[in-house]
Amino acid sequence: AQSVSQHNHHVILSEAASLELGCNYSYGGTVNLFWYVQYPGQHLQLLLKYFSGDPLVKGIKGFEAEFIKSKFSFNLRKPSVQWSDTAEYFCAVLWGYNKLIFGAGTRLAVHP
Amino acid sequence: GAVVSQHPSRVICKSGTSVKIECRSLDFQATTMFWYRQFPKKSLMLMATSNEGSKATYEQGVEKDKFLINHASLTLSTLTVTSAHPEDSSFYICSARDSLDHLDTQYFGPGTRLTVL
Repeated sequence: AQSVSQHNHHVILSEAASLELGCNYSYGGTVNLFWYVQYPGQHLQLLLKYFSGDPLVKGIKGFEAEFIKSKFSFNLRKPSVQWSDTAEYFCAVLWGYNKLIFGAGTRLAVHP
Repeated sequence: GAVVSQHPSRVICKSGTSVKIECRSLDFQATTMFWYRQFPKKSLMLMATSNEGSKATYEQGVEKDKFLINHASLTLSTLTVTSAHPEDSSFYICSARDSLDHLDTQYFGPGTRLTVL
């Protein structure tokens, strides 16, 4: 069965630092990949998604992710984080027709 | 954008009682909705897929008689936790997929915090 690994459980950065959060999935073949963000006290929101085409996907709020098929990875990046990016980030892969498999999440804290 | 609401946001109940949680898609129709459970410091675990007009599909290990799901309309799915016990205390989140969106994006509700005493 498909699984998703997020290796960083907690990340602490200063404002303006660059961010990269790792995400690996276990099953090859055609995959649909997502990054969701959950700000404190809010619901999950879609940051970006990959279905096909350009493996470098740009999302909202300056985030981007790169799908590397050979590495089974879909890492999330942002060149310069802001305090408002403090949140929990979840990577997910669509398994089968409509089942989303989530990683454990990464808590990001950005200090001013 | 697509908005999903949940009601209530928090509920506290006594052990042995039943609790109903509603999930609504406010500005789109959803033939498919999903119910997740989120444990502290853990990820979301899919409990079941709710299909409008038909029976829900439950994930392995989820008791269908305990977690009753009804998807009576294209904008409403309900999850009823029957005979709740303290171990059912958790954060329950629903999501809905826009019937007209071929890209399989799920939109999530704000979640319901259930505490069973």
